[in-house]
Amino acid sequence: EAQVTQNPRYLITVTGKKLTVTCSQNMNHEYMSWYRQDPGLGLRQIYYSMNVEVTDKGDVPEGYKVSRKEKRNFPLILESPSPNQTSLYFCASSTFADTEAFFGQGTRLTVV
Amino acid sequence: GENVEQHPSTLSVQEGDSAVIKCTYSDSASNYFPWYKQELGKRPQLIIDIRSNVGEKKDQRIAVTLNKTAKHFSLHITETQPEDSAVYFCAAKDTGRRALTFGSGTRLQVQP
Repeated sequence: EAQVTQNPRYLITVTGKKLTVTCSQNMNHEYMSWYRQDPGLGLRQIYYSMNVEVTDKGDVPEGYKVSRKEKRNFPLILESPSPNQTSLYFCASSTFADTEAFFGQGTRLTVV
Repeated sequence: GENVEQHPSTLSVQEGDSAVIKCTYSDSASNYFPWYKQELGKRPQLIIDIRSNVGEKKDQRIAVTLNKTAKHFSLHITETQPEDSAVYFCAAKDTGRRALTFGSGTRLQVQP
């Protein structure tokens, strides 16, 4: 089954404790991206990757890091989480930036 | 970069009525405009998209229109049903960054 898998689904952590949210796709897609969803603000792109070892900043990259060492995986790293990073996070993949994006199930992150 | 504005933020209609959601974009070079539906607690899913060389596209009860001159595009849902209740997001592809920029979303409520 074609899918994008994120883990974990829910995470509560404390300020400053490094964390990683994993994202994996099995559709051989070139393009992957991370979004955060906040009420009234829609989906805002954090980072995107057009291929292995090629990443670029989205609209809200501050406080986040990503890597793309393999085509299927695109982890999101918060090196020192802060409460303003409490949000719902989605990973997405697509063949290109202008084709259908398939979203993961979402990760609800709370930073206290 | 691209800026996408979406209106209204909430929309309530009676079952069987039509619903229209409008978006404007700022980058005149944008050429791809998808619409995503997000049901409560679920991930966003593509429902229809349109490219800049087309003025209108239909898929059963859903249609999207694009006015490149005015830089706006709209989603039209006819004969609405309770299962159409969801949050709808428009998006535009930012040609400069090869990334999708999303609108802030419209919560559609279809009253039975």
